Formats: sequence, C-alpha cells, structure tokens
Amino acid sequence: DIQMTQSPSSLSASVGDRVTITCQASQDIRNYLSWYQQKPGKAPNLLIYDATNLETGVPSRFSGSGSGTDFTFTISSLQPEDIATYFCQQYDNLPRTFGQGTKLEIK
Amino acid sequence: QVQLVESGGGVVQPGRSLRLSCSASGFTFSSYGMHWVRQAPGKGLEWVAVISYDGNDKYYADSVKGRFIISRDNSKNTLYLQVNSLRAADTAVYYCAKDWGCGSSSCHLLAFASDWGQGTLVTVSS
Repeated sequence: DIQMTQSPSSLSASVGDRVTITCQASQDIRNYLSWYQQKPGKAPNLLIYDATNLETGVPSRFSGSGSGTDFTFTISSLQPEDIATYFCQQYDNLPRTFGQGTKLEIK
Repeated sequence: QVQLVESGGGVVQPGRSLRLSCSASGFTFSSYGMHWVRQAPGKGLEWVAVISYDGNDKYYADSVKGRFIISRDNSKNTLYLQVNSLRAADTAVYYCAKDWGCGSSSCHLLAFASDWGQGTLVTVSS
C-alpha cells in the first residue's frame, strides 16, 4: 500500500497568515492527489483534486501543487473559518490511502 | 443537491455483524461509484471500500477484506456495507461518499469522493 505522510501534524497560525502543509507519498503517484478539509463534528469536504485543481465553489485562497511524491497545500491568507483538519489522499493505486491529517488552529 | 444519509450503526459485540445503509438523493445514483470511509474516534480517515456504478467492481482495504461486503441497490438508491466479524478496531464513524466520477475535462472513476454523508457510528464493545 502507498503510505501518505503529512507534515506538520498540527499547526498554529494567525488570521491573514500564509499556511503550508506538505504531503509525501511512499512512491510516485503522478498527480493523483486530493485534499480535504474536515471541520470538527462534520464530514470531510473536497477542496482540491489532481494535486492542483480547485473543486467548484472552493475559495481561491486554497491551492495545491506538486507531483510524483511531494505535494503542498497552501492557504494564502488564513481565515477564521479555515480552522479544521486537512487530509491528503492518493488515488493512483488501490487501496486508496489518506495522510494522517494536519490540525490547523488559530494562534 | 446531493444528499447521503447513513443508518444502521450502533453498539455491537465483538464477532457480531451489522449492515450499514446509505440512502442517496439529489443525483443519478446509478451513474456513480460509491465509497465507504471510516474514522475512528479522534483519528484520521481510513478508506474502506468502493463499488462501481453498476456494482460489478468492488475493492477493499486490506484491513476489512474478507469481513466487509459493499453492495448497492440502484432501484432503491441505496448503498450498503455488510460488516462481519467485528473487532474493537472497527469502532468508527462510517461515512458513505459519492465518487467524483467525471468532470468537464477528465474522469477519475472510483478514485476520490466529492460528497459525503454525515456518518453513522459503529461501536464494537462487549
């Protein structure tokens, strides 16, 4: 199975900050990576697919980059409503696998 | 709008079985693959299984292979997960999710989920 490693596991930032989360795959997954946001007590919400494509309706302050084994998720200007846990997921191979998550908090 | 409503969770003893259901509306259910994803309390997401739009293709995580069975009834717009030989490690919120499928310029079948239900909690305890 492909292992997905996210870092950091948790992150504290101020409103307006640029926030970056990384996700590393244990093998080449091309650009077959998605990012999800999960707010406390809620189901996950798809933000990005194919590593860089913003899902319809997702604010443009969210972005993704990378290919192969190394990927980055960025919030350009952190908003209070962005407090959540973020997960990456690979879909190059079965079984699909998620990163362990990055919990984002407001400083 | 897409609506997915899971049911069937509860407290069950180790070794017992449950059938989880997911009632779908707001989209053409028979045209989309469907996923089950679970989340243990306070933990991350774990992909469990996926089924193709017609039910002919099914794939499972290693941790549930041979114990769980994913199925669907397109006439009832319902997805199922039969969970057998339950273990404490299966305690989790189980989400059903609609496969993203195809967008305007690409298709990713059975790949990742675009819409999720609110989940149903399965607790395995004696």
